[in-house]
Amino acid sequence: AQSVTQPDIHITVSEGASLELRCNYSYGATPYLFWYVQSPGQGLQLLLKYFSGDTLVQGIKGFEAEFKRSQSSFNLRKPSVHWSDAAEYFCAVYSSASKIIFGSGTRLSIRP
Amino acid sequence: EPEVTQTPSHQVTQMGQEVILRCVPISNHLYFYWYRQILGQKVEFLVSFYNNEISEKSEIFDDQFSVERPDGSNFTLKIRSTKLEDSAMYFCASSGEFGSYEQYFGPGTRLTVT
Repeated sequence: AQSVTQPDIHITVSEGASLELRCNYSYGATPYLFWYVQSPGQGLQLLLKYFSGDTLVQGIKGFEAEFKRSQSSFNLRKPSVHWSDAAEYFCAVYSSASKIIFGSGTRLSIRP
Repeated sequence: EPEVTQTPSHQVTQMGQEVILRCVPISNHLYFYWYRQILGQKVEFLVSFYNNEISEKSEIFDDQFSVERPDGSNFTLKIRSTKLEDSAMYFCASSGEFGSYEQYFGPGTRLTVT
């Protein structure tokens, strides 16, 4: 069965520091992968997606993610975080049954 | 830019009461979904809907739940007799075509059952 694992429940980084959020997936075929961000009390905003092609994908707000098939990973990165990036981040995979399966999320806190 | 809207943003109800959560998907989309997020947990799929029929539902979506597209613009989720454990954020989503990998999510309705 398809699944998504986000091993880090909570990460704290200093403002201006680089960020990497980890995501591992389990999927039999070529996965279609997403990163969503959820600010407190808000809905889900799509940061970026990977369907095929270039394994390094660019998203909104300066985020990027790299698909590595050999490692079954789709890690999210940002070279320099801003205080406004504090939020919950969800990695997700499209399931063959027309639904999206989400990871458990990583809460990002920013240290001033 | 078109977006999915949901009403109300917050609903408080007593246990055993019926609630209807409303969603207006993006106007030219044909596939609709409901997801649920219990506080502090992951987002979980509930049901997908196309052509006035349920396409797929999860084990969470039991007989207490139903969905409907009562007119050309709204998509509703009804919970017949709410339980405390139904308290959650409910997200509606829509997509333009079946197998479209990108679903557009609404802002959510927070349901609190007391």
